[in-house]
Amino acid sequence: EDQVTQSPEALRLQEGESSSLNCSYTVSGLRGLFWYRQDPGKGPEFLFTLYSAGEEKEKERLKATLTKKESFLHITAPKPEDSATYLCAVWGSQGNLIFGKGTKLSVKP
Amino acid sequence: DGGITQSPKYLFRKEGQNVTLSCEQNLNHDAMYWYRQDPGQGLRLIYYSQIVNDFQKGDIAEGYSVSREKKESFPLTVTSAQKNPTAFYLCASAADTYEQFFGPGTRLTVL
Repeated sequence: EDQVTQSPEALRLQEGESSSLNCSYTVSGLRGLFWYRQDPGKGPEFLFTLYSAGEEKEKERLKATLTKKESFLHITAPKPEDSATYLCAVWGSQGNLIFGKGTKLSVKP
Repeated sequence: DGGITQSPKYLFRKEGQNVTLSCEQNLNHDAMYWYRQDPGQGLRLIYYSQIVNDFQKGDIAEGYSVSREKKESFPLTVTSAQKNPTAFYLCASAADTYEQFFGPGTRLTVL
């Protein structure tokens, strides 16, 4: 069964304190892993797509990496405006996106 | 500006009432999707459409209906058969079937 598990559920950081969010997945034949950012009461905002193990992508303070079993979203020197819920999803074997429950990130000044 | 719009932002439904949520996109995307988001749960797929006049059920289609008469529009009707409709509803579209882009969402509350 296709599955996506994100950890931790919630993460509190001080401004400037770097950390990583984890996304573990189980799917036969990965056809894409996606990261989104969601602010409260808003739709998810697309961040990255990763297709193969070893691939990395960066955007400002965010860097996404991919292995055969998991993906990490590294946040370097976060700022309060990085506070949001980060969602991970994979393209499932049934032909649709399978989402994790998300990691709620809070960055305190 | 290209994008996805959803209306209304907030919607209130009385018991036994059908309501329709609007989703429009001007990105010229072929595929469109409806998801439901509940607190503490991942997004769950309700219906999707890869081409005009064709759509498929997702994981939780019971109590919902859709139509796809135009490429730009994919309205979702929440029927009285949906027993627990209070949730945040998200519409998405994609040029191919991979990277999906989301609208701002509609929050539906049952009175």
